Amino acid sequence: SAVISQKPSRDICQRGTSLTIQCQVDSQVTMMFWYRQQPGQSLTLIATANQGSEATYESGFVIDKFPISRPNLTFSTLTVSNMSPEDSSIYLCSAKNGGEREKLFFGSGTQLSVL
Amino acid sequence: RKEVEQDPGPFNVPEGATVAFNCTYSNSASQSFFWYRQDCRKEPKLLMSVYSSGNEDGRFTAQLNRASQYISLLIRDSKLSDSATYLCVVIHAGNMLTFGGGTRLMVKP
Repeated sequence: SAVISQKPSRDICQRGTSLTIQCQVDSQVTMMFWYRQQPGQSLTLIATANQGSEATYESGFVIDKFPISRPNLTFSTLTVSNMSPEDSSIYLCSAKNGGEREKLFFGSGTQLSVL
Repeated sequence: RKEVEQDPGPFNVPEGATVAFNCTYSNSASQSFFWYRQDCRKEPKLLMSVYSSGNEDGRFTAQLNRASQYISLLIRDSKLSDSATYLCVVIHAGNMLTFGGGTRLMVKP
């Protein structure tokens, strides 16, 4: 199994600022994802982080708001830009290898509160 | 109809009870299935994979019914520590993952 380190674990931010969340995996993985989980809700996929190229965003999420980097097979960042209170949520990094039967592992999450 | 559906619960059961959850999926081409457990304010953690032949791990049994397109999770002899939200995950062709909305379980003394 992969061990995923995610930081910061929580932050309180002012409206209009940006926060970058980092995700480090202890082994090379094929696929990395970023999810959002709002209180009492299930996970919503923001995007798939692609190594060396632009991330693949899901409907309702755009690069200008959630820029993502993945410079190598073990590291990715998600930036939440120009934050508003509606962005308050838990953001989760996850990783898996490419096979369809491969399991998905998660970082410990970043709890973001925007004032 | 949602791609993956779960009864949100909560399921309130006494310690020692047996409880079962189902998760239905709409894509008949779905390939792989998993159950995750999520404690409050924590990340989801893999509980078990669901195989066509069924899968048992201690008090937990997971089964797949392809004909009716659902997976199930059975917990025997419930413990207080089993209280959590249980998420099912379905993987479709092309490695597309879909999470169910989760089923909340509360085990009471």
